[in-house]
Amino acid sequence: DGGITQSPKYLFRKEGQNVTLSCEQNLNHDAMYWYRQDPGQGLRLIYYSQIVNDFQKGDIAEGYSVSREKKESFPLTVTSAQKNPTAFYLCASSISTFPYNEQFFGPGTRLTVL
Amino acid sequence: GQQVMQIPQYQHVQEGEDFTTYCNSSTTLSNIQWYKQRPGGHPVFLIQLVKSGEVKKQKRLTFQFGEAKKNSSLHITATQTTDVGTYFCAGATNSGYALNFGKGTSLLVTP
Repeated sequence: DGGITQSPKYLFRKEGQNVTLSCEQNLNHDAMYWYRQDPGQGLRLIYYSQIVNDFQKGDIAEGYSVSREKKESFPLTVTSAQKNPTAFYLCASSISTFPYNEQFFGPGTRLTVL
Repeated sequence: GQQVMQIPQYQHVQEGEDFTTYCNSSTTLSNIQWYKQRPGGHPVFLIQLVKSGEVKKQKRLTFQFGEAKKNSSLHITATQTTDVGTYFCAGATNSGYALNFGKGTSLLVTP
């Protein structure tokens, strides 16, 4: 069963702690993305990766970090430097970053920082 | 980055009424994609438009891409409760790698 998995679905952390959100895909896609979704704000791009060992900042990368050591995996770390980390985080993948390719989204992780 | 504006932000209709959401860009787009996100779910790809003036239909949904490739619309005829959700447009320019998503239009359909 091909797709994108994100875990956990809900995550709670104390303020000041770093937290890593996982994203795995078995679609053999080269490109992967992380978006943040806040009510009324749509999807805002945090980071994207075109290929293994490469990634680029999106529109709101401050306070976040990523790695792409394997094609299947693109974890996102929300650091303590992120001023307002509580949000719904969506991971996506596509065949390549060529914008004509549709993006496939994971189920998302809802992060709440207390 | 490039801005893709989407209106309205919210729309509440009675079942059976029509619904339209509009997407506008200040720059020419190479393509535009539409996604639907059900409440509590994740965005799912609906369709892509590439050609100037292109019109595509999916059952009760009609998608249009403007002649200047700067705007697009999604029209739903005779809405049903299953149409509830948030509809996003996402556009890219010829020089960009990333899609820019609009803020979405949340549709509520009451029986």
